[in-house]
Amino acid sequence: QKEVEQDPGPLSVPEGAIVSLNCTYSNSAFQYFMWYRQYSRKGPELLMYTYSSGNKEDGRFTAQVDKSSKYISLFIRDSQPSDSATYLCASHTGGFKTIFGAGTRLFVKA
Amino acid sequence: DAEITQSPRHKITETGRQVTLACHQTWNHNNMFWYRQDLGHGLRLIHYSYGVQDTNKGEVSDGYSVSRSNTEDLPLTLESAASSQTSVYFCASSPGGSYGYTFGSGTRLTVV
Repeated sequence: QKEVEQDPGPLSVPEGAIVSLNCTYSNSAFQYFMWYRQYSRKGPELLMYTYSSGNKEDGRFTAQVDKSSKYISLFIRDSQPSDSATYLCASHTGGFKTIFGAGTRLFVKA
Repeated sequence: DAEITQSPRHKITETGRQVTLACHQTWNHNNMFWYRQDLGHGLRLIHYSYGVQDTNKGEVSDGYSVSRSNTEDLPLTLESAASSQTSVYFCASSPGGSYGYTFGSGTRLTVV
């Protein structure tokens, strides 16, 4: 079993839709949770960073962590075609060695 | 502006050859990492370093080696390239804390 599991998609939504991206993890020691966005043929870029459980909001993006169920979510409001990318969830215990999910490909249609 | 650069962007090599992929960062980050990205597997950690002269194995380190002689560089060497090492390789650096990783643009390696 992978430590971080993520549905690879693809997920296709119309412009303006609310997008929900999800991951599960198995390591109870994970304390830090991240979402990265990766455009085609580019390196991943950090989108959201959260510590422990709870919500964090940044513009149209909201990251949510539920440690009781080991569930990580990213919500994108008012999705735009420019949001089309692969989204990677990631976690680490505090030692900076990060474990990544396989990524979910998102397509936002104009 | 600070950056992290990888070279070459594309490389084709033959089975059995030694190959070195370069990673150079000007962020002055202590922590540096090498990942490979393959369809269906996502990013898998090859090697990482928490500072000069420090190197550690990741989950897929067989056939790879790294050395860290200064803060800026962490070259990745494939000792004897195999077709199974055809992949996209990403280097990343981090200051630690809540800053996450900064990734390079990747090296696409093909072993024929």
